[in-house]
Amino acid sequence: DAGITQSPRHKVTETGTPVTLRCHQTENHRYMYWYRQDPGHGLRLIHYSYGVKDTDKGEVSDGYSVSRSKTEDFLLTLESATSSQTSVYFCAISEGTALNTEAFFGQGTRLTVV
Amino acid sequence: SQQGEEDPQALSIQEGENATMNCSYKTSINNLQWYRQNSGRGLVHLILIRSNEREKHSGRLRVTLDTSKKSSSLLITASRAADTASYFCASQGGSEKLVFGKGTKLTVNP
Repeated sequence: DAGITQSPRHKVTETGTPVTLRCHQTENHRYMYWYRQDPGHGLRLIHYSYGVKDTDKGEVSDGYSVSRSKTEDFLLTLESATSSQTSVYFCAISEGTALNTEAFFGQGTRLTVV
Repeated sequence: SQQGEEDPQALSIQEGENATMNCSYKTSINNLQWYRQNSGRGLVHLILIRSNEREKHSGRLRVTLDTSKKSSSLLITASRAADTASYFCASQGGSEKLVFGKGTKLTVNP
């Protein structure tokens, strides 16, 4: 398995509180992604990073921010959690070269906002 | 939304039968990828087909790509109970963003 770890694996938080999810990789891959998975919606891209301090928005970025200060860490922050952000969050990494663009996924973080 | 669509949403077959899943996407791509997800787990990469390829095989998997129709199909031959999972296609264009579809839930009955 690719060296990718998400933490925490489970979290329950209250509406209005900030929450930070962490994705850590040991593969030195350039690209990192945050997705959320909800029934009926599949995986939707929140934000992604193409290098240290280089990030861009995905299709569902409202209410989320990210930071990547080191190659190995990609943080996802819910600035003020809402019940609609209850979901399973997946981090993925990719080398991003023309020959090796497959993504490797973490095990997911189940977030419940009450 | 840039999301693609898989069809069907759910598929139930008997062991030994073939399973075909279809995927449509919306924008020009460099490649299209298929992933598998077992219940409660992360996604695992199965196969990648580039925009200049029309068909690709890997073991019991066969993928086709029709860029004129913006569609792809995944065929699993001689299915097994262990193939029970959700299958997702993901399209990748020039920005390196991977855009996933909504998935097909495959159940293979023993």
